[in-house]
Amino acid sequence: SQTIHQWPATLVQPVGSPLSLECTVEGTSNPNLYWYRQAAGRGLQLLFYSVGIGQISSEVPQNLSASRPQDRQFILSSKKLLLSDSGFYLCAWCHPGLAGVMGTGELFFGEGSRLTVL
Amino acid sequence: AQSVSQHNHHVILSEAASLELGCNYSYGGTVNLFWYVQYPGQHLQLLLKYFSGDPLVKGIKGFEAEFIKSKFSFNLRKPSVQWSDTAEYFCAVNSPKTSYDKVIFGPGTSLSVIP
Repeated sequence: SQTIHQWPATLVQPVGSPLSLECTVEGTSNPNLYWYRQAAGRGLQLLFYSVGIGQISSEVPQNLSASRPQDRQFILSSKKLLLSDSGFYLCAWCHPGLAGVMGTGELFFGEGSRLTVL
Repeated sequence: AQSVSQHNHHVILSEAASLELGCNYSYGGTVNLFWYVQYPGQHLQLLLKYFSGDPLVKGIKGFEAEFIKSKFSFNLRKPSVQWSDTAEYFCAVNSPKTSYDKVIFGPGTSLSVIP
């Protein structure tokens, strides 16, 4: 069966420090991968998504970047954190292509990472 | 750009009351529509989806949703809620012709069911 893991679960960082959140998926190949930020009253904001290694689509210009160095690994990064980067970050995956969003339509979410920037 | 709005930020109901959560989307072309639910302390999970065909779709746990194309709406309903339905509900949209792999979520509605 497929599993998705994110870490760290909780992170407290000072303003100006770097960030690296990691997400890995097991039990599937070539998944679509997504980073969302969840804020109270604002729902899930799509930050980045990837349909393959090295292929990153950015949805919101901001202080963050994403990379996909391996098929089932998705990393969210920042060189210098801002206070406004605080939030709950969710990684998700779905099956690729016609079996993915167009197929079962289901995104599978990780446990989330709570980032507090002080 | 696509967007999704949800009518209510927080809904409080007594057990056995009927539920309807509103969802509207902005895109006028072909869309796939979803409702996700997040129970306290749990992951987001798919509740139901609409791709094509019968505009009334049924999901897990007695939930259903109706797609009304003319109103750009996809409202979620349940005839009789239970305390265990307390959760946050998110409507989401995907447009296969313009953004094949992108799924946009609404702001969410928090449902509290009072025993």
